[in-house]
Amino acid sequence: NAGVTQTPKFQVLKTGQSMTLQCAQDMNHEYMSWYRQDPGMGLRLIHYSVGAGITDQGEVPNGYNVSRSTTEDFPLRLLSAAPSQTSVYFCASSYSIHAGTGTRGYTFGSGTRLTVV
Amino acid sequence: GQQVMQIPQYQHVQEGEDFTTYCNSSTTLSNIQWYKQRPGGHPVFLIQLVKSGEVKKQKRLTFQFGEAKKNSSLHITATQTTDVGTYFCAGVGGGNKLTFGTGTQLKVEL
Repeated sequence: NAGVTQTPKFQVLKTGQSMTLQCAQDMNHEYMSWYRQDPGMGLRLIHYSVGAGITDQGEVPNGYNVSRSTTEDFPLRLLSAAPSQTSVYFCASSYSIHAGTGTRGYTFGSGTRLTVV
Repeated sequence: GQQVMQIPQYQHVQEGEDFTTYCNSSTTLSNIQWYKQRPGGHPVFLIQLVKSGEVKKQKRLTFQFGEAKKNSSLHITATQTTDVGTYFCAGVGGGNKLTFGTGTQLKVEL
């Protein structure tokens, strides 16, 4: 049981390049989210999905796209990388985030450390 | 939008001292979750609180959810070096968004 797998672990991009951060989970979780973590700013929600075919924006969606064609996969695409997107990116999944439905919280991947130069 | 703030941002304690972090939301929460992130690691789920005024304990950790369901606290009794890390609260205010607090970084010195 692998949990949440993120690839790559490290990446350096040049300004203007595009790339896709991969995220896969094998727990049959409906909820999946992408967060970015910057010093002193906690974890900020980029995009999230409540099931296959359904995605929605978080608080910092600009410059990022997502899709959810299967329950297992939730890739994050950077359209044209900018230095402001230098960050640590975490993918997380959960059976549910709502109270009373047996949630055990989010399971996080190990993160992708992205540097844009 | 919903905002979740935590104080303090940093806390240095001597091993054996107690530690408390406070979480405040701008909106009423349906539940509050707590996570721990070790240096260089990823957040790990600790607990969820659902009911107004709820208190839960995990060994030396005590979690509390406020009566108005807009604030929460985590108290660690007699800290150990293994408690080092950043503690985050996270809440669902409405819809399907889980909003994380800004985190409290705990350092424990021998």
